[in-house]
Amino acid sequence: SQKIEQNSEALNIQEGKTATLTCNYTNYSPAYLQWYRQDPGRGPVFLLLIRENEKEKRKERLKVTFDTTLKQSLFHITASQPADSATYLCALGIGSGNTGKLIFGQGTTLQVKP
Amino acid sequence: DTGVSQNPRHKITKRGQNVTFRCDPISEHNRLYWYRQTLGQGPEFLTYFQNEAQLEKSRLLSDRFSAERPKGSFSTLEIQRTEQGDSAMYLCASSFDWAGREETQYFGPGTRLLVL
Repeated sequence: SQKIEQNSEALNIQEGKTATLTCNYTNYSPAYLQWYRQDPGRGPVFLLLIRENEKEKRKERLKVTFDTTLKQSLFHITASQPADSATYLCALGIGSGNTGKLIFGQGTTLQVKP
Repeated sequence: DTGVSQNPRHKITKRGQNVTFRCDPISEHNRLYWYRQTLGQGPEFLTYFQNEAQLEKSRLLSDRFSAERPKGSFSTLEIQRTEQGDSAMYLCASSFDWAGREETQYFGPGTRLLVL
């Protein structure tokens, strides 16, 4: 069956450390993968998009890797801050240009303690 | 660029009533998506439009749900004869599809529906 799984437990880290979130999937062949941040009661906010032919992408303190052989993406936040506390969602972009629907994981809650 | 907007932000209704939500996408975006999200879960795809054409509907979208995008701009999602199981956050997203290359989906703030 098709599955997309993120860290099931909440992630608690100390301010200044690197947070690493995982996203694993089975029986999908995504053209791209996106990471979103979601705060309680709000819509997801786009962070990074990585395509199937890209291994790594960076944006400021954020880094995403995409391994289509392992069927895994890792999302890193370096020098984490309490303001980074939120739920982080990974989403697979399925299909060709004819359909752009996203398949989301259940999200990982990150808590950064001062 | 004012982003994606959704109205209303919250809706409380009684079981059996009809409700309608509106989504205004980013103006130059030709694709519009509806998702549903329940507590502790990621958003689930419901349907999407390319301009005014509805191109895909999820099996989650029962006959009680209907979506329209009449002029390829704003969209409405109507739920008829609401049930308690319809209680969720309804999210709208838009993107620009350029020559078949999907770009980022930007989400609105959502409409929180509570069916009593």
